Amino acid sequence: RKEVEQDPGPFNVPEGATVAFNCTYSNSASQSFFWYRQDCRKEPKLLMSVYSSGNEDGRFTAQLNRASQYISLLIRDSKLSDSATYLCVADGPNSGYALNFGKGTSLLVTP
Amino acid sequence: DAGVIQSPRHEVTEMGQEVTLRCKPISGHDYLFWYRQTMMRGLELLIYFNNNVPIDDSGMPEDRFSAKMPNASFSTLKIQPSEPRDSAVYFCASSFLVRVGELFFGEGSRLTVL
Repeated sequence: RKEVEQDPGPFNVPEGATVAFNCTYSNSASQSFFWYRQDCRKEPKLLMSVYSSGNEDGRFTAQLNRASQYISLLIRDSKLSDSATYLCVADGPNSGYALNFGKGTSLLVTP
Repeated sequence: DAGVIQSPRHEVTEMGQEVTLRCKPISGHDYLFWYRQTMMRGLELLIYFNNNVPIDDSGMPEDRFSAKMPNASFSTLKIQPSEPRDSAVYFCASSFLVRVGELFFGEGSRLTVL
């Protein structure tokens, strides 16, 4: 069982829609959480960190629920360029420098 | 500035052959990570280094895999002998100590073992 679990999707949404992804993490000792974006056949890139109080970056909102051990990403006003795979990430059990990645949720935004 | 540089970008080899993947991290980064990505298992951490010292190699699948970091600007991941199940994209990433979670990935080395 992976430490970070995500719904693989795909999520197919029209341009302008709001879409939300959730992921769960198994290690209650995890302290740091992130969302990465990976375009087809490219490397992953950091999208945003996830803070306990929740945080926004433009059209993107990330939230953390420690009690339920899940993380969410909300994308408002979806753009065609948002089409990608979104990877949920939590730090490892013994060190904040070893990150565990989920398998990713695929998003396709259509015209 | 140059990002993380990996080579080769693509490698096709036959079972039993030795494979060496190379990585040059971003200058000044003190952490280096090797990940492997497959459709079935996603991104898996193989090993990571801090200041050229291996810190955690628990993700290395078996003795056929080895990694070295002889200096701050170079690391290798070696598979000997290679097997078809090693086929994957191997990513190298580097980061600063103070920016936990912000990994900068190379473009990856796509390995196919026939």
